[in-house]
Amino acid sequence: GDSVTQMEGPVTLSEEACLTINCTYTATGYPSLFWYVQYPGEGLQLLLKATKADDKGSNKGFEATYRKETTSFHLEKGSVQVSDSAVYFCALSDRLGGNQFYFGTGTSLTVIP
Amino acid sequence: NAGVTQTPKFQVLKTGQSMTLQCAQDMNHNSMYWYRQDPGMGLRLIYYSASEGTTDKGEVPNGYNVSRLNKREFSLRLESAAPSQTSVYFCASSGTVNQPQHFGDGTRLSIL
Repeated sequence: GDSVTQMEGPVTLSEEACLTINCTYTATGYPSLFWYVQYPGEGLQLLLKATKADDKGSNKGFEATYRKETTSFHLEKGSVQVSDSAVYFCALSDRLGGNQFYFGTGTSLTVIP
Repeated sequence: NAGVTQTPKFQVLKTGQSMTLQCAQDMNHNSMYWYRQDPGMGLRLIYYSASEGTTDKGEVPNGYNVSRLNKREFSLRLESAAPSQTSVYFCASSGTVNQPQHFGDGTRLSIL
């Protein structure tokens, strides 16, 4: 069945460091891919998305490219800020996989000044 | 812009008690979902409703029931709460299945 595997955390970085959070997926069909962010005490918010191979999603300085050949959708940011501290979830949606969303287990990021 | 509203935000129950978690969305979305979030396990889908009048089981439906009351509202019921159901529950909605989901702020439920 469909699934998402993402890099385990927690991840601690200094402000202005580069961030990469790895995400790979398994899907029956041609999924759409998403990154969500969850700040403490809140629900998940959509950060970015990509709906087909080679698409690049971007938002708030974060980027991720849909790589069909490696079944990956890694999240990257060139210079993190303290305000980026949160939990990040990779997710996929696959119509052929049963009309459900599949979430990774989340990666906690802490950015220190 | 309310989006997805969940009530209550916090609740403590005793084992065996029943409870209904409420969820309402004001975005005219067709699809609605209930998830639970547990440490180290990410989000797991309990039930979803692809459209008004339909509901389907997700990954972990045992011990729960749902009602899609109308297009706006989707409730989750625990008939006989168990300590294993201690979790944070999130409701979400989307225009249709496969579109990005919008989440509420969650209900933190403890069962003693």
